[in-house]
Amino acid sequence: DADVTQTPRNRITKTGKRIMLECSQTKGHDRMYWYRQDPGLGLRLIYYSFDVKDINKGEISDGYSVSRQAQAKFSLSLESAIPNQTALYFCATSDQLRNNEQFFGPGTRLTVL
Amino acid sequence: SQQGEEDPQALSIQEGENATMNCSYKTSINNLQWYRQNSGRGLVHLILIRSNEREKHSGRLRVTLDTSKKSSSLLITASRAADTASYFCATAPSNDYKLSFGAGTTVTVRA
Repeated sequence: DADVTQTPRNRITKTGKRIMLECSQTKGHDRMYWYRQDPGLGLRLIYYSFDVKDINKGEISDGYSVSRQAQAKFSLSLESAIPNQTALYFCATSDQLRNNEQFFGPGTRLTVL
Repeated sequence: SQQGEEDPQALSIQEGENATMNCSYKTSINNLQWYRQNSGRGLVHLILIRSNEREKHSGRLRVTLDTSKKSSSLLITASRAADTASYFCATAPSNDYKLSFGAGTTVTVRA
């Protein structure tokens, strides 16, 4: 969905490096999410935010941190990347008035060597 | 842990045939949603069914929900090559706003 953008789209990095993935949305939604996708495991929730001042841990938050800089921006950081964080990362947004139907960005493919 | 589990994991059909996939979940839900993912891309919302609904249609899609069995099915009729994708069910628990996704069913439609 072009209304949810993610940068970068692809990133290769080395173990121990700090990485930031960024997400921006023009849908005006208050809720934003970060997921990771691994083959055969579907999507797992890392962090989510229901408002600018609201940050919540998801299912697999260890090794990650987030920042909600504005309603439209939600960044995911890997403070010290490790190989098992190699995955496809998705940002998503939703509006509490629409039954939590989520709109996804195109994804960031991250490889940690 | 994942709330929903899709079955089968993979499905291969001929163009024009119907494709059926199932989703089972564990706890009470507000609604259940189905998403499609084309290879390596973001998920796209297909259809939502509320806990008090039993069947819903959208174009060539038909979704059923049986809350007593905690299961749902997605039927794609008259499949096309463009339907080749992975399909995920996602549940919204009664006491939570977050979605929980299953591992998905990969559908391949052969021309």
